[in-house]
Amino acid sequence: EVQLVQSGAEVKKPGESLKISCKGSGYSFTSYWIGWVRQMPGKGLEWMGIIYPGDSDTRYSPSFQGQVTISADKSISTAYLQWSSLKASDTAMYYCARLGYCTNGVCYTRGYFDYWGQGTLVTVSS
Amino acid sequence: DIVMTQSPDSLAVSLGERATINCKSSQSVLYSSNNKNYLAWYQQKPGQPPKLLIYWASTRESGVPDRFSGSGSGTDFTLTISSLQAEDVAVYYCQQYYSTLYSFGQGTKLEIK
Repeated sequence: EVQLVQSGAEVKKPGESLKISCKGSGYSFTSYWIGWVRQMPGKGLEWMGIIYPGDSDTRYSPSFQGQVTISADKSISTAYLQWSSLKASDTAMYYCARLGYCTNGVCYTRGYFDYWGQGTLVTVSS
Repeated sequence: DIVMTQSPDSLAVSLGERATINCKSSQSVLYSSNNKNYLAWYQQKPGQPPKLLIYWASTRESGVPDRFSGSGSGTDFTLTISSLQAEDVAVYYCQQYYSTLYSFGQGTKLEIK
């Protein structure tokens, strides 16, 4: 069974750093792209970036480029999303999700998100 | 960037009735080389992550009830729930993956009338 399990809720102060995680299991973690999606309170879904754990190739949404860092440790099947200096406006639920379009052993960036983590709530408040 | 616009923003339908949600993209998401529409639909229930319902505009994900169907091509797409059940109360999102600057619609909130 494919699973993406995210780290727990965080409460931080503005200016603090944070790294949240997403651990994949039940499939070949290095073969599929993993994406991060933000959902601000009461709002819709915003794509932040994707990473290919096999070689750490990373692509960012222009809206989030320079604001966050996406990384992965394939040895422990885990992807990460990190901030160096949080702002109150970073308060949101963050989801990781797998890009599920693969054919003939190749997984593509132009794909749909077929499995999602349970979400990590990040609250930034002084 | 491809902008996805859903209509309506909210919808109330009686149990057993049909629900229709529309999604329009600012440019075509039909890839001519394989004739596939790079469009997905997701369902998000309160307190839960989104769940994939439909991909390639009309292919139902495994385990999704057949009352859910997707249609459309190019720039105009529709998600239809043929007979609304109480458990279908949720927010529904369309998403394009034609561009790797993925974009979602703003969401449509579906409620019971």
